[in-house]
Amino acid sequence: QAVVTQEPSVSVSPGGTVTLTCGLRSGSVSPNNYASWYQQTPGQAPRALMYNTKTRSSGVPDRFSGSISGNTAALTITRAQADDECVYSCLLYLGNGIWEFGGGTTLTVL
Amino acid sequence: QELLQESGPGLVKSSQTLSLSCRVLSGSISSGAYYWTWVRQPAGKGLEWIGRIFTNGKTYYNPSLKTRIAISMDTSRNHFTLNMTSVTTADSAVYFCARDRGAGLDFDHWGLGTLVTVSS
Repeated sequence: QAVVTQEPSVSVSPGGTVTLTCGLRSGSVSPNNYASWYQQTPGQAPRALMYNTKTRSSGVPDRFSGSISGNTAALTITRAQADDECVYSCLLYLGNGIWEFGGGTTLTVL
Repeated sequence: QELLQESGPGLVKSSQTLSLSCRVLSGSISSGAYYWTWVRQPAGKGLEWIGRIFTNGKTYYNPSLKTRIAISMDTSRNHFTLNMTSVTTADSAVYFCARDRGAGLDFDHWGLGTLVTVSS
């Protein structure tokens, strides 16, 4: 059973704002989980979007932002565009050198 | 410009050992504070962190896989390798290698991935 949880799918209207979440099956996400986010289109390798909860990776526009909201890490996308439609995966540090990805969220822009 | 390039057998029989290599195309694998990482993705499913090796050779493995895997590096050939024993059809996936910048930073470079199919 997965330790890291994500919504399977989320939708947003073009130009709208959407927040994806990344949680732990037991407990709350904290800065010590060093949450990072990856964007992946079909047939491609993942691309880094965000690391250490809220730092944008190289070349990522400021429409993307990260935070911890309540018990989860969150990725917020503003001014959503058609090419934001893809799978977003979060990655959490679980301690002792171990990392785990969430199952990924498929974002639909419609 | 790709930094990492995976290679592997493509097809492996169940119960055999899978061996994948990731060549670092630019820079020395032993320089910097990087973790050289393996990630896999079964068809239609999410990413799975397999494990990583630091530039000093220290390894970290996914607890669910650690009895079957070993990651090593060959500094003379500037590549690192994943060996996975006793494979089953559940190990069929696209396998990616990636560079983890460490210290809570991101996986900033990824290979294109190599498809591994385990036949029963």
